[in-house]
Amino acid sequence: GENVEQHPSTLSVQEGDSAVIKCTYSDSASNYFPWYKQELGKGPQLIIDIRSNVGEKKDQRIAVTLNKTAKHFSLHITETQPEDSAVYFCAASIRGRDDKIIFGKGTRLHILP
Amino acid sequence: NAGVMQNPRHLVRRRGQEARLRCSPMKGHSHVYWYRQLPEEGLKFMVYLQKENIIDESGMPKERFSAEFPKEGPSILRIQQVVRGDSAAYFCASSPIQDPQPQHFGDGTRLSIL
Repeated sequence: GENVEQHPSTLSVQEGDSAVIKCTYSDSASNYFPWYKQELGKGPQLIIDIRSNVGEKKDQRIAVTLNKTAKHFSLHITETQPEDSAVYFCAASIRGRDDKIIFGKGTRLHILP
Repeated sequence: NAGVMQNPRHLVRRRGQEARLRCSPMKGHSHVYWYRQLPEEGLKFMVYLQKENIIDESGMPKERFSAEFPKEGPSILRIQQVVRGDSAAYFCASSPIQDPQPQHFGDGTRLSIL
């Protein structure tokens, strides 16, 4: 079955700097890659997603890139702010087959003042 | 437009008791997914249901766990004869029939087994 690896597990960046989180997946049939942000005591919130027919997607300070050949995808957050501190999860899914989401283990992002 | 509602938010049970977790999907959503999250871990898929049907239960433990999504009312995840290892956060997600992605998550039920 699908396996999603995520790193780093913890990331500290100075406020205003950029943060990058990287993930790999194993099943070449995966075609949908959402990113979720989870704050303490809350459920995961979708922040951006990308489908396999697109190589890059951007939404304000957040961007995601996908390399299907290498089975890599990454999240980039620019101009980080204190409210970006949270746990971020990458995930993969086979849209149109079973749609279950396979999550990475998460990255705890700390934004330093 | 209310989001995915889960209750209770916190549930404490003693070993051997039953736990019932409820999930009301977003309005208009007919697909429900249950996930389990252990501390410091990602979420793991358990089961995918549509109204009155279990579509995929490949992530459900074979014993003690069951799920339903009746024609009327919330989806229920039932854990019988709970053990300490069942302590976790259980999240429900929903999506509309027209497109199963993205899935929208509730804030979870934190189950503690004494």
